[in-house]
Amino acid sequence: DVVLTQTPPTLSATIGQSVSISCRSSQSLLHSNGNTYLNWLLQRPGQPPQLLIYLVSRLESGVPNRFSGSGSGTDFTLKISGVEAEDLGVYYCVQSTHAPWTFGGGTKLELK
Amino acid sequence: EVQLQESGPGLVKPSQSLSLTCSVTGYSITSNYWGWIRKFPGNKMEWMGYISYSGSTSYNPSLKSRISITRDTSKNQFFLQLNSVTTEDTATYYCARCWRYWGQGVMVTVSS
Repeated sequence: DVVLTQTPPTLSATIGQSVSISCRSSQSLLHSNGNTYLNWLLQRPGQPPQLLIYLVSRLESGVPNRFSGSGSGTDFTLKISGVEAEDLGVYYCVQSTHAPWTFGGGTKLELK
Repeated sequence: EVQLQESGPGLVKPSQSLSLTCSVTGYSITSNYWGWIRKFPGNKMEWMGYISYSGSTSYNPSLKSRISITRDTSKNQFFLQLNSVTTEDTATYYCARCWRYWGQGVMVTVSS
């Protein structure tokens, strides 16, 4: 199975601060069709996960553009440019290039 | 608007079967892929499997032969059955059209 390693596990930030979360894969997530199926989700307390970014860097409709994704192959990053209070929760990277689909361990974003 | 809603018992006894229903509105399950994902106490997320638009299925090998995902297209519902449950199957279960649309989740406890 593909192992996704997210760092850091916990992130403390002030409002307005820019932060990044890393997701490293145990193997390349480039599919034979040329797509890289690496996505980012946010789960706020008491809510189901919400899709933020798909295909590494494509912003989901309705998601603020302070969120951005980048990377290729095995190294990926989610950046939040100016944290807002509504951004608090647990962030997950998830891959659907290789079966079984797998999640990172999560990064909890807290207010400092 | 696409909506998914899980339903089923919140308490299951060890060695019995866990059965959940996902009711979908606003989108036909004869299109796309429809999955089950669970979140364990803590942050760990696990993709369990999916049923496709054609009715084919894919399962996480970690669940071996315990899992079955089926559907009723006339009701636009799909189902999860997990056999021989143990306390380690205690989790919040989500149905989703990965990864854009999610149900609210149902907490299932396995306990005698």
